Amino acid sequence: EPEVTQTPSHQVTQMGQEVILRCVPISNHLYFYWYRQILGQKVEFLVSFYNNEISEKSEIFDDQFSVERPDGSNFTLKIRSTKLEDSAMYFCASKNMGLSGITDTQYFGPGTRLTVL
Amino acid sequence: AQSVTQPDIHITVSEGASLELRCNYSYGATPYLFWYVQSPGQGLQLLLKYFSGDTLVQGIKGFEAEFKRSQSSFNLRKPSVHWSDAAEYFCAVGDLYTNQKVTFGTGTKLQVIP
Repeated sequence: EPEVTQTPSHQVTQMGQEVILRCVPISNHLYFYWYRQILGQKVEFLVSFYNNEISEKSEIFDDQFSVERPDGSNFTLKIRSTKLEDSAMYFCASKNMGLSGITDTQYFGPGTRLTVL
Repeated sequence: AQSVTQPDIHITVSEGASLELRCNYSYGATPYLFWYVQSPGQGLQLLLKYFSGDTLVQGIKGFEAEFKRSQSSFNLRKPSVHWSDAAEYFCAVGDLYTNQKVTFGTGTKLQVIP
């Protein structure tokens, strides 16, 4: 069964450094998302991406964050200058167009645990 | 704005006992409802989903959920819990007709005792 993959599984970085989290969505999916989960808290939406542009973003997704689909398979989240509070599990998700006007389910990757020291 | 409430932060049940995890949602349009499970240090696995039809939906691992529009609820149930069901369970709501984000509840952590 196809699945969303994410690399690395764990990233440790120093405060102020740039990090890039990588995701490979399911191959025929068209919509891509990033979510994060701070330890012990709920999963929060960051950004959605369709047709090579951001379609929605949350308040969390400020100028320090960016997303890109550099080729036909990868979807990346970049944090330009990491802060301690960026430490979290970051989940990538993707979904297909859906049928008969009804949207499809988002499928989540295993996550990347980001630790900012 | 859409929101999801899971009133139970932590639930402990004995192995073999029945389980019900509560979920209430607030959504102005037609909701698309989900339950995900997360084992420690792991990602989110879809248990089941509901968007139309029979209000009792069956999922993986023997779980089921019942949609009650009048109560804005989507409670998750399992008749007999196994030790391997210990995990955190998230209820979530999305929009049925758009590609917007999914909004998650705060989760219910399930502990299973022998």
